[in-house]
Amino acid sequence: AQSVTQLGSHVSVSEGALVLLRCNYSSSVPPYLFWYVQYPNQGLQLLLKYTSAATLVKGINGFEAEFKKSETSFHLTKPSAHMSDAAEYFCAVFKKAAGNKLTFGGGTRVLVKP
Amino acid sequence: KAGVTQTPRYLIKTRGQQVTLSCSPISGHRSVSWYQQTPGQGLQFLFEYFSETQRNKGNFPGRFSGRQFSNSRSEMNVSTLELGDSALYLCASSLSTGQETQYFGPGTRLLVL
Repeated sequence: AQSVTQLGSHVSVSEGALVLLRCNYSSSVPPYLFWYVQYPNQGLQLLLKYTSAATLVKGINGFEAEFKKSETSFHLTKPSAHMSDAAEYFCAVFKKAAGNKLTFGGGTRVLVKP
Repeated sequence: KAGVTQTPRYLIKTRGQQVTLSCSPISGHRSVSWYQQTPGQGLQFLFEYFSETQRNKGNFPGRFSGRQFSNSRSEMNVSTLELGDSALYLCASSLSTGQETQYFGPGTRLLVL
C-alpha cells in the first residue's frame, strides 16, 4: 500500500524566510505527486503536481517542488514566506492501480510570523 | 468556469439520523470522488463515481453510500449517524475516471450531536 509521510505537523517561519515542507512517499514506481493547500474553513486548492515531465515543478503563489526519485521525496519550497501563506499543506500521491484515489499525508500547518 | 460546488456548507444532525450531501462537479468533469477529513484520521477516500457507477470504494462501513446522476452531480448519504461521523466531507471532480488531477469543492462540515 502506498503511504505519504510529511515531516513536521507544524512549521513556523518568519515573513520573508524560506518555506520548506517535506514529503516522502513509498512506492516502487513513481506515482503522480501533488501538493494541496487548505485555508481555514475551505476546501483543498491544488498548488502543483508532478507527472514525470520535469523533476522541478513550479506551482501557484511562488511555490515549487522537486521530485527526487533516489530519495522518494517531493519537498515543497517557497523562497520568501508571505503572511498569506499561513495555511495547512498536504502532499498526496495518486496511482491508477491503487483505486484511482489520492492518498494524503498528515498535513503540515504553516504559521508565518511578522 | 465555475468550480466544484457542495451543498449544504454546514450541517448539524443528531445520532441515529441520516444525512445527504450534494456535489456538483466542474462543467465537463464526469468523475466525482468523496473524501472525509477529520483531525484524527486526516483525509480518507470514501468512493469514486463515474458514469453513474461506483468505481472505487474506500474502507468505510456500508452506512456510507453515494450515487451519481446523469449530469454528473453526485450525492453521498450517511445513515444512522454516529458521533464519529463528524467531519469535513470534501468532493473532488476530475475529467474522467483514472485522471490524476482532482479539483476540490469547499466541503460540507457535518456535526453530529
